[in-house]
Amino acid sequence: GAVVSQHPSWVICKSGTSVKIECRSLDFQATTMFWYRQFPKQSLMLMATSNEGSKATYEQGVEKDKFLINHASLTLSTLTVTSAHPEDSSFYICSAREGTGGSKTEAFFGQGTRLTVV
Amino acid sequence: AQKITQTQPGMFVQEKEAVTLDCTYDTSDQSYGLFWYKQPSSGEMIFLIYQGSYDEQNATEGRYSLNFQKARKSANLVISASQLGDSAMYFCAIVPSGSARQLTFGSGTQLTVLP
Repeated sequence: GAVVSQHPSWVICKSGTSVKIECRSLDFQATTMFWYRQFPKQSLMLMATSNEGSKATYEQGVEKDKFLINHASLTLSTLTVTSAHPEDSSFYICSAREGTGGSKTEAFFGQGTRLTVV
Repeated sequence: AQKITQTQPGMFVQEKEAVTLDCTYDTSDQSYGLFWYKQPSSGEMIFLIYQGSYDEQNATEGRYSLNFQKARKSANLVISASQLGDSAMYFCAIVPSGSARQLTFGSGTQLTVLP
């Protein structure tokens, strides 16, 4: 099946610094990628939809200036957590679907990134 | 809008036995897809099985089968012959057809397989 690669798998950063997370579709083109956040023992909460060549669409309550999303190519989307604080510590995971969707198009997930802000 | 409800926060099953994980959904879309994912402690999301709303037969994938009851809006996952490696978090998700929209996930069920 298709593969989505997410990097890094874990990162520890100091409060106030920025962290960039990459999400790549390795063997298919993804016009749309999704970024989720997951707190321990909770479900995945959609943060934003990343659209190739255009601005990301953020969910209500997600600060777009804090969570910068760039989808510069059909195979790469990046999430940058700017001026990170301890409350931003979480598990971030991206997903991508091939083509334009349709309900049967499986969503492939990256391995996730565990961010710890100290 | 779509909503997924998983009412079992935790489930236990004896190794080699079958277990059913419940999932009910609510959607205003006529055409949609239902997914089950497994998330082990490592965090990766592993696709297990898919059911389309117009599929007449219940989906099966190896030891996984989906008990799809459209009128009741339920899509329960059945795992047969449980293995210790099945211990993980399981999420049910829904997506409407015809667009590249995101999946909406339920709250998940933590399954523990006992030796």
